[in-house]
Amino acid sequence: NAGVMQNPRHLVRRRGQEARLRCSPMKGHSHVYWYRQLPEEGLKFMVYLQKENIIDESGMPKERFSAEFPKEGPSILRIQQVVRGDSAAYFCASSPTPYTYEQYFGPGTRLTVT
Amino acid sequence: KQEVTQIPAALSVPEGENLVLNCSFTDSAIYNLQWFRQDPGKGLTSLLLIQSSQREQTSGRLNASLDKSSGRSTLYIAASQPGDSATYLCAVLETSGSRLTFGEGTQLTVNP
Repeated sequence: NAGVMQNPRHLVRRRGQEARLRCSPMKGHSHVYWYRQLPEEGLKFMVYLQKENIIDESGMPKERFSAEFPKEGPSILRIQQVVRGDSAAYFCASSPTPYTYEQYFGPGTRLTVT
Repeated sequence: KQEVTQIPAALSVPEGENLVLNCSFTDSAIYNLQWFRQDPGKGLTSLLLIQSSQREQTSGRLNASLDKSSGRSTLYIAASQPGDSATYLCAVLETSGSRLTFGEGTQLTVNP
């Protein structure tokens, strides 16, 4: 059973461009979570999704950020018009249910905005 | 609002020493608590998960305890090795939602 997969592992974007980060959960997991780790800071929750539904997006910046988890395919975290402050490691986690079970983390995507 | 604090922020010990990492949280309404390891520039590796009804979990040289009423958890590492050098993160899953709230981590260095 493959683990949580994220791609790309490293992404470089110029200011103003769009960044698309992809996350494929573990097989059998229908719950996906995105977290962000800014330089020298701890991990912070961004959004929680189930297939085709956003359950909790209270950690998402109000503008430029969006997330989806379609019926088919990976979950996508999209950042429009990136700024230098978006440079961070973005981690995806998945679980079979939202409670009780642990969340399994992917290797992360390191976004650098130049 | 849940807050998770880890003490110490950094720890340097000689190889072979037993050590304890501390984690405290402000809201005891949690489903579970997880301890993770993060190597520089890498992802998170789950070490131990303690359900809210449990008191401790053990895996090899690692033992984690949970005192939910006092809002504390400890991670005990026995006979530390240089390969244990990493940042250790504590995270709680609250009953009010599905998010993990992380501490800032303890950066551990085990010297040969």
